[in-house]
Amino acid sequence: EVHLLESGGGLVQPGGSLRLSCVGSGFPFSTYAMSWVRQAPGKGLEWVSGMSGGGGGRYSADSVKGRFTISRDISKNTWYLQMNGLRAEDTAVYYCAKGDSGSGSYGGFDYWGQGTLVTVSS
Amino acid sequence: QSVLTQPPSASGTPGQRVTISCSGSTSNIGSNFVYWHQQLPGTAPKLLIYRNDQRPSGVPDRFSGSKSGTSASLAISGLRSEDEADYYCATWDDSLRGFVFGTGTKVTVL
Repeated sequence: EVHLLESGGGLVQPGGSLRLSCVGSGFPFSTYAMSWVRQAPGKGLEWVSGMSGGGGGRYSADSVKGRFTISRDISKNTWYLQMNGLRAEDTAVYYCAKGDSGSGSYGGFDYWGQGTLVTVSS
Repeated sequence: QSVLTQPPSASGTPGQRVTISCSGSTSNIGSNFVYWHQQLPGTAPKLLIYRNDQRPSGVPDRFSGSKSGTSASLAISGLRSEDEADYYCATWDDSLRGFVFGTGTKVTVL
């Protein structure tokens, strides 16, 4: 059974940094792409960043380019989202979502984690 | 600002059929598979339809998806109270080089 578990959320001041983690289980880690998707309070879903299963393809939304970096540690079955230069508008629940293919630029998401809340406020 | 447009709300009585539209362009829906996700209140999204019209195991056949040109639709037949949720379409956008989600539709069962 596929499981995704996020962690690392919390309260951070504007301009600060935070690293989110997503541990995956129940599927071959390096075979599938993965993305981070966020949802601001009372708002819709917004794709943030994604990575191909092979690790070679990385993509980010314009709203986070230059500030957020996606990475992974195969030995730990874990993806990360390093978030720097955080702004109030980055406040959201952040979900990791498993791709249904190995490509980071194809297909869609078939499993979601439960989410971790990031609050950017002074 | 989302590039995929959905109606903000839809409603029906138990047993009725409800249809949700998702309008895009040639760079997203017109070129790529469409996925639909259901988000029950206070929970994470869940995959409902993949690759335009395919249902994952465990999803009732009351849910069906279709795509034509630059638009897609999700239909819920035999509406039930547990279908009250937010529904989002999603796809890859070749021009933006990223995934895009629809604006979301809140379904209410009257």
